[in-house]
Amino acid sequence: DTAVSQTPKYLVTQMGNDKSIKCEQNLGHDTMYWYKQDSKKFLKIMFSYNNKELIINETVPNRFSPKSPDKAHLNLHINSLELGDSAVYFCASSEISGGKNTEAFFGQGTRLTVV
Amino acid sequence: AQSVTQLGSHVSVSEGALVLLRCNYSSSVPPYLFWYVQYPNQGLQLLLKYTTGATLVKGINGFEAEFKKSETSFHLTKPSAHMSDAAEYFCAVSEMNTGFQKLVFGTGTRLLVSP
Repeated sequence: DTAVSQTPKYLVTQMGNDKSIKCEQNLGHDTMYWYKQDSKKFLKIMFSYNNKELIINETVPNRFSPKSPDKAHLNLHINSLELGDSAVYFCASSEISGGKNTEAFFGQGTRLTVV
Repeated sequence: AQSVTQLGSHVSVSEGALVLLRCNYSSSVPPYLFWYVQYPNQGLQLLLKYTTGATLVKGINGFEAEFKKSETSFHLTKPSAHMSDAAEYFCAVSEMNTGFQKLVFGTGTRLLVSP
């Protein structure tokens, strides 16, 4: 069973398009994250949701809009894609309530290529 | 603000040799420290973490790391490298007062293992 699953794994699209990446976790965690890994392998947090509530929102263009329909899902929608959005996007989850404070479990990543 | 510095973007060792990957961090509050491994086209997998208590932490696959507050370091070691250890390794820090919510990553070190 995949703990944190992302779809699609690869996404190639043209500049200006709108695309979504989906993420689901079956670990029962209460917190989910989106991280971006650039071409130099540098990883940076973008967003975090706790029980469907946004708790971390780093300096990310407002073309990026996360949506959490329930605590097991966190989707990332990107409008008007630009060449610089090409990267690998990782979803992650962890449990932070009740003193559990688990580490983050990562998905396999979605490689987005904007042409 | 927190930051992580990983010395050496590439480290090459022979199979059976000692592995030493360096990580120094900067944090104004007591940190949580992590090492993650990323195999090609895969997500990140947690190797080990330091939260509180014993400063020598043992992880999976024979890796261990020692938290040295005076040196603000959390270097990763393995006594004997195996070919399967070849991967990208990321050191990360989060603030104890925010739990594991926001990971700040180093730029990664690629470990190359030769026969």
